[in-house]
Amino acid sequence: EVQLVQSGAEMKKPGESLMISCKGSGYTFTSYWIGWLRQRPGKGLEWMGIIHPGDPETRYNPSFEGQVTMSVDKSISTAYLQWNSLKASDTAIYYCARHASARSFDYWGQGTLVTVSS
Amino acid sequence: QSALTQPPSASGSPGQSVTISCTGTSNDVGGYDFVSWYQQHPGKAPKLLIYEVNKRPSGVPDRFSGSKSGNTASLTVSGLQADDEADFYCSSYAGRSGVRYVFGTGTKVTVL
Repeated sequence: EVQLVQSGAEMKKPGESLMISCKGSGYTFTSYWIGWLRQRPGKGLEWMGIIHPGDPETRYNPSFEGQVTMSVDKSISTAYLQWNSLKASDTAIYYCARHASARSFDYWGQGTLVTVSS
Repeated sequence: QSALTQPPSASGSPGQSVTISCTGTSNDVGGYDFVSWYQQHPGKAPKLLIYEVNKRPSGVPDRFSGSKSGNTASLTVSGLQADDEADFYCSSYAGRSGVRYVFGTGTKVTVL
């Protein structure tokens, strides 16, 4: 069974750094791109970028490039999303999702709630 | 790249059908047959319902169907059931550079 399990909720202050994780299982982790998506409170989904665990190549949404960093550790089938300096506007649920060859996201993690508040 | 436009809400009685539209441009919906639809229940992660405009992943009932005409894609939910009450999002591939995937504004479906 394909599963993506994300790290738990985080509460941070503005300016702090953060890394959240997404561990894949039930499939060959290095064969599929992993996408990261943001959902602000009460809002829709936004595509942040994708990373290929096997290479690892990355493709960022220009709106997020320079604001976050995607990385992977293929030895433990885990993808990461990192911030160096959080802002209140980063408060959101962040999802990782497996990127299928059909240009869709076929399996999703449960989401990680990130709250940034002073 | 702007979000795809969906109606904020749609509703129907159990057993009825509801259709949700998703309007983009020739740079996304109209330019590629890579439209997908996702269902999101409150507090849950999105679930893939439709990919490549009209294909269903294994396990998705055939009550869910997709189509596309020009720059507008549509999702039809037939035989509405109580559990269909959720938010629905469309998404389209938008090319190999910049914003590669755009999502819709979302539609809240209410089963009356």
